[in-house]
Amino acid sequence: GAVVSQHPSWVICKSGTSVKIECRSLDFQATTMFWYRQFPKQSLMLMATSNEGSKATYEQGVEKDKFLINHASLTLSTLTVTSAHPEDSSFYICSARGQDVPAFSYEQYFGPGTRLTVT
Amino acid sequence: GQNIDQPTEMTATEGAIVQINCTYQTSGFNGLFWYQQHAGEAPTFLSYNVLDGLEEKGRFSSFLSRSKGYSYLLLKELQMKDSASYLCAAMDSNYQLIWGAGTKLIIKP
Repeated sequence: GAVVSQHPSWVICKSGTSVKIECRSLDFQATTMFWYRQFPKQSLMLMATSNEGSKATYEQGVEKDKFLINHASLTLSTLTVTSAHPEDSSFYICSARGQDVPAFSYEQYFGPGTRLTVT
Repeated sequence: GQNIDQPTEMTATEGAIVQINCTYQTSGFNGLFWYQQHAGEAPTFLSYNVLDGLEEKGRFSSFLSRSKGYSYLLLKELQMKDSASYLCAAMDSNYQLIWGAGTKLIIKP
């Protein structure tokens, strides 16, 4: 149980276009979802936290108008990278947390990640 | 401020034992997580400690001392597949995870 999927797993787009990444909790209700970015050989950087039905909370330095997050349901959150530039190329990982999963209520379950390359 | 410290890189030999240390400073504390991350993949959960002491799970064990703000992950009978980054994360009073930079573990034959 507690499976999180991400789609797409990798995407290549041209500079200036927008890309949408989906994060789904498959077998539990995700009350909170997190979006991370990870550059090569670096640790996870939290971008934003979203609770279902409310606006996302962005970390300092993350442009909310550039990285649009929508958490419209308890099983789906989306991250849209608007007007992407080469410096946005990174590994984007979502995680989800729910109160009805086994083990630890506050454990985050990670999706497999999306590798974005902007040319 | 909130901070997690762990070594950047460690090297060990196949079949041996390695201990990865982590110290933390957070606003409040609701437990400490260890995750394993292979290159190009998402992190996978290894352990969670909220009480002092050692939690053993097969070849992996995790220890916590709340009074010292210290944890370690112990890996026994190392296998080549254990080569990965190991991430330490402490949960603060708001139940947010504060992540360490990760320890890259290199296993040599």
